[in-house]
Amino acid sequence: GESVGLHLPTLSVQEGDNSIINCAYSNSASDYFIWYKQESGKGPQFIIDIRSNMDKRQGQRVTVLLNKTVKHLSLQIAATQPGDSAVYFCAERASRRALTFGSGTRLQVQP
Amino acid sequence: GAGVSQSPRYKVAKRGQDVALRCDPISGHVSLFWYQQALGQGPEFLTYFQNEAQLDKSGLPSDRFFAERPEGSVSTLKIQRTQQEDSAVYLCASSPSPPSDTQYFGPGTRLTVL
Repeated sequence: GESVGLHLPTLSVQEGDNSIINCAYSNSASDYFIWYKQESGKGPQFIIDIRSNMDKRQGQRVTVLLNKTVKHLSLQIAATQPGDSAVYFCAERASRRALTFGSGTRLQVQP
Repeated sequence: GAGVSQSPRYKVAKRGQDVALRCDPISGHVSLFWYQQALGQGPEFLTYFQNEAQLDKSGLPSDRFFAERPEGSVSTLKIQRTQQEDSAVYLCASSPSPPSDTQYFGPGTRLTVL
């Protein structure tokens, strides 16, 4: 079936740099997208979401960009901190309320 | 307030045993979801409840998997005659009334089947 995928399995950045995590989705019917952060041994933690009628949404130090033309989603983290180290998942929702997740990108922040 | 809680956090079962995993959603949340997460993978949908009604169980991998939410709050995921391939983390998420879509996850139950 259609699923959400990620370009980079591991991303390593220096503390204080900006991070960009990318995600490609294939279901053009998806109308809602969400980013989660998951630390080892914990459940996914909500970061930010966006609906398909928007192309950008900002939160605290995070920005999500949605490009429906090329079915691409990105998460930007400003001034990355060691506490941002985790696996990041994007997920989409189409016709049913369940989310479809990608396989995740590991973000490593070097001090 | 309190988040989603799950118990037990860890469960080891011998192949063929039945297990029951519990989820306590955020108080007042109408929607409840179960997901299965294999090591190194993203969560995969199992089933969805709106109040006590199970509206979608299309993700349950076999008839050995059964979920219930009889009073519209706490939910139990039961796996009968466990197999090694059932080893995974089982995540529960809850969401407020529609049209809110944000799902808040619990810490998960790590099931290991020997």
